[in-house]
Amino acid sequence: GIQVEQSPPDLILQEGANSTLRCNFSDSVNNLQWFHQNPWGQLINLFYIPSGTKQNGRLSATTVATERYSLLYISSSQTTDSGVYFCAVESRNSGNTPLVFGKGTRLSVIA
Amino acid sequence: GAGVSQSPRYKVAKRGQDVALRCDPISGHVSLFWYQQALGQGPEFLTYFQNEAQLDKSGLPSDRFFAERPEGSVSTLKIQRTQQEDSAVYLCASSRRQGNTEAFFGQGTRLTVV
Repeated sequence: GIQVEQSPPDLILQEGANSTLRCNFSDSVNNLQWFHQNPWGQLINLFYIPSGTKQNGRLSATTVATERYSLLYISSSQTTDSGVYFCAVESRNSGNTPLVFGKGTRLSVIA
Repeated sequence: GAGVSQSPRYKVAKRGQDVALRCDPISGHVSLFWYQQALGQGPEFLTYFQNEAQLDKSGLPSDRFFAERPEGSVSTLKIQRTQQEDSAVYLCASSRRQGNTEAFFGQGTRLTVV
């Protein structure tokens, strides 16, 4: 099945810093989503982005489907951005497959 | 409803006990998914429904795990004779249809088997 790799696995930022999280995937995709899992375990939808670029406030994402990667940008980070960021993809070539998750990037933003 | 709702939020079970976890998807969503998330890991797929039909149960770890969605809306994940290795967060997600569409997750049920 499709493989999803996220980097870095852990990231510590000073409040106000910018960061880039990466998601590599091994096959063509129909769907790619970025999620933020907050300290209470809730998966919050950030972006539905199988291709192209989107922005939402301090967050933006870019997926280059032909090169099989996606990037999540966080600007002017805040302590509330802490948590785990997951990339999840749905393979185009494996029939009716569900979302497959990467292992996540654990972000800690310190004041 | 406004979002995917799961209950209970927390469940402590004695080893060997049966448990049932409930998921209320977003109204009108055709597809429903169950995932298992172990501590420090990403969610792992368990099973998938399209309406009332269970189209994929390849991720269920053993025959002690059973899921149903009899009327194509609410779903129940049942675990029989729970074991300590079943301790995890169980997440439910729904989407308008299968494929090429955004999935939304519930808050999860944290199961602890003692």
